[in-house]
Amino acid sequence: AQKITQTQPGMFVQEKEAVTLDCTYDTSDPSYGLFWYKQPSSGEMIFLIYQGSYDQQNATEGRYSLNFQKARKSANLVISASQLGDSAMYFCAMSSEGYQKVTFGIGTKLQVIP
Amino acid sequence: AAGVIQSPRHLIKEKRETATLKCYPIPRHDTVYWYQQGPGQDPQFLISFYEKMQSDKGSIPDRFSAQQFSDYHSELNMSSLELGDSALYFCASSVTGVGGDEQYFGPGTRLTVT
Repeated sequence: AQKITQTQPGMFVQEKEAVTLDCTYDTSDPSYGLFWYKQPSSGEMIFLIYQGSYDQQNATEGRYSLNFQKARKSANLVISASQLGDSAMYFCAMSSEGYQKVTFGIGTKLQVIP
Repeated sequence: AAGVIQSPRHLIKEKRETATLKCYPIPRHDTVYWYQQGPGQDPQFLISFYEKMQSDKGSIPDRFSAQQFSDYHSELNMSSLELGDSALYFCASSVTGVGGDEQYFGPGTRLTVT
């Protein structure tokens, strides 16, 4: 079974600063993928970034980067230069290799302060 | 770029009625997933289809059924609706063998059962 743990129910960050959202995971699968999704108050689920368990380098997508520490089973999301539009719920998630369901954490609500 | 399309976006039904939610995956995506997200909850996996065959099943009630058609669109049929079925229902799609099997979510269908 897979499990995602997000221990920060809510976070505040000043506009233009960087913020790290924590995520740890547990799985017995040898190959897996880790994801971050953003869910604004409007409800849609927006894919942000993906990290494969065998990827040597940390994933980056624009202002998003994933700090992947396999030995620690952590996959923290770093958002640089926060913007007001980054205020949303952020979900860490994972799936096994192949066309497998995604298991979500409970989410972290990020609020960017002007 | 084309995204996952879900219809309807909003649906209001009464208890014991039936509802049908539709999902049109991103073109050339071969796998469709359905998730249910209750108020303040993380999305929970319901069911998935790969190449029109059911590939995995999660916590989907027996009152619900789903299928994927020859054009790859999928429908989630919900019968004998209960108040607890009120939720945001997401469809997601992915393509196997490319990248990391990222799942792209549709905008969701908000179902309200009264």
